[in-house]
Amino acid sequence: NAGVTQTPKFRVLKTGQSMTLLCAQDMNHEYMYWYRQDPGMGLRLIHYSVGEGTTAKGEVPDGYNVSRLKKQNFLLGLESAAPSQTSVYFCASSPRTGIGELFFGEGSRLTVL
Amino acid sequence: KQEVTQIPAALSVPEGENLVLNCSFTDSAIYNLQWFRQDPGKGLTSLLLIQSSQREQTSGRLNASLDKSSGRSTLYIAASQPGDSATYLCAVHPGAGSYQLTFGKGTKLSVIP
Repeated sequence: NAGVTQTPKFRVLKTGQSMTLLCAQDMNHEYMYWYRQDPGMGLRLIHYSVGEGTTAKGEVPDGYNVSRLKKQNFLLGLESAAPSQTSVYFCASSPRTGIGELFFGEGSRLTVL
Repeated sequence: KQEVTQIPAALSVPEGENLVLNCSFTDSAIYNLQWFRQDPGKGLTSLLLIQSSQREQTSGRLNASLDKSSGRSTLYIAASQPGDSATYLCAVHPGAGSYQLTFGKGTKLSVIP
């Protein structure tokens, strides 16, 4: 039972570099989410998707882009990384929003120098 | 704007004690409330989900209650064990048409053997 898998788990970037975080779920869930978790700030929603081919902005979308070309995958991209994007990123999925549970990946720790 | 507060931020109890974790929210118009557990360096695991029409949910030694009118939820842990040591977060869902849960910042629980 893989559930929600995130890669990579750790990454160090220099300011201005780009990278992509990959989230894969094997539960056939429609909804997928990207959160960031920062000390003292709690979890904040970056972007989400309600199905294959759809994406939408969450609470803190600036500096990030996402794509959902396949139902099982949700990619989070940083085009030009900034130190303020140093954080732990979590992907989550749910079968139906507002009703079902959220299933989280184990997180990707990103440091931007 | 919905705000979710969890007090205390940290709690230490001896093994075997029963304990209560608190979660309060400012807007009572919620669809459901979830309690999560987060172990250090890991993702969130859903423990219990309470729909707005329910008063409580139970799973093993865990019991979560919901009082929408007062904007409060409690997570009761019976006969605590060292393995219960983790951070516990609650999150509220605003309802249809929104995909953005609001998370509390969590209570870090330490169960001392």
